[in-house]
Amino acid sequence: GAVVSQHPSWVICKSGTSVKIECRSLDFQATTMFWYRQFPKQSLMLMATSNEGSKATYEQGVEKDKFLINHASLTLSTLTVTSAHPEDSSFYICSARGPGTSGRAETQYFGPGTRLLVL
Amino acid sequence: AQKITQTQPGMFVQEKEAVTLDCTYDTSDQSYGLFWYKQPSSGEMIFLIYQGSYDEQNATEGRYSLNFQKARKSANLVISASQLGDSAMYFCAMSPYSSASKIIFGSGTRLSIRP
Repeated sequence: GAVVSQHPSWVICKSGTSVKIECRSLDFQATTMFWYRQFPKQSLMLMATSNEGSKATYEQGVEKDKFLINHASLTLSTLTVTSAHPEDSSFYICSARGPGTSGRAETQYFGPGTRLLVL
Repeated sequence: AQKITQTQPGMFVQEKEAVTLDCTYDTSDQSYGLFWYKQPSSGEMIFLIYQGSYDEQNATEGRYSLNFQKARKSANLVISASQLGDSAMYFCAMSPYSSASKIIFGSGTRLSIRP
């Protein structure tokens, strides 16, 4: 089946540094990927939609200069948290549109997530 | 705008019993899809079941079934014969039907199965 990977799975960094998170579709091509953020005991909040070869579409309230998204190929999207601060500590999950199941044309496949801790 | 509401923050169920997790939604779209995902403590999002708004029959996937009541805008998840491994967070979600574009999630229900 369709698999999405994320790297790294865990990252701890000092305040003020930038952190890059990779999201890869391993066995399918994904023209669209999504980035979510999840704070402890809360739901997933969509941050942005990443489209291959074009600029990402950010949800309201998400700072595009803070969270840089690059979707340079059909199998890779990256999220860079620039000048990270403790309040950016969260669980970041990506998903990718891929081949459908259960009668649907397409579906979303989620990565395993990346836990970011900013000290 | 689309909205998903899960009113049960937590539930405790005895092993082998059936459990229903509630989900209501609000949308002005004519076509949409409804999902349920399971999130164990590891954090991964596990797809459980899908229901299209025009599907006449309720979706079923093994022990999971979706009780879809379109007029009431509800999409409750029913887990039959619960197992200890079912303990996790469960999220109801919605997306436009035409393709798997962005998914909006509910606040989730933490299900705990008692042995």
